[in-house]
Amino acid sequence: AQSVTQLGSHVSVSEGALVLLRCNYSSSVPPYLFWYVQYPNQGLQLLLKYTSAATLVKGINGFEAEFKKSETSFHLTKPSAHMSDAAEYFCAVSDRVEDKIIFGKGTRLHILP
Amino acid sequence: EAQVTQNPRYLITVTGKKLTVTCSQNMNHEYMSWYRQDPGLGLRQIYYSMNVEVTDKGDVPEGYKVSRKEKRNFPLILESPSPNQTSLYFCASSLKLLAGEQFFGPGTRLTVL
Repeated sequence: AQSVTQLGSHVSVSEGALVLLRCNYSSSVPPYLFWYVQYPNQGLQLLLKYTSAATLVKGINGFEAEFKKSETSFHLTKPSAHMSDAAEYFCAVSDRVEDKIIFGKGTRLHILP
Repeated sequence: EAQVTQNPRYLITVTGKKLTVTCSQNMNHEYMSWYRQDPGLGLRQIYYSMNVEVTDKGDVPEGYKVSRKEKRNFPLILESPSPNQTSLYFCASSLKLLAGEQFFGPGTRLTVL
């Protein structure tokens, strides 16, 4: 079965610094991959998704992620953090064998002034 | 406006008192799902539905029931709630099961005393 691992339940970066949130998946079949963001007291919303087209995927709010098959990774980055980026971020992977979406445990991003 | 609505947003109840959380989507999506979110555990799928009258268990279905009599509605039923079902619940819908964006409702925070 598929699994997804997000390294770091909490990540802190200074405003203006690079944001890097890590996501690794296990898959023997090329997956679909997603990043969702959850702002306080809200549901999740899609940041970006990879569905076997370009390996570098651009999303909303300046975020992007790169699919690296050799590393089974789909890390999320943003060149310059903004205070409004403070939220919880979830990586998700599709399991084409069991027909389901599996979510990571989430990474809470803190932005330091 | 395309959206997923849930009601109620907040609910405090007592052990054993049956409750229903409603979920409705206006996007004509076939796929709908219920998740619970707990600290440190991320999102775990409770039940999902591929279409009207088709439902299936997710990863944590014990103590929950669902029904899908109409395409737009997917209520979550707790016949006899227990304190371990205290959680934040999300309903989601999508056009495609594996490759599509999931649209999430705003969440229902349930406390079972």
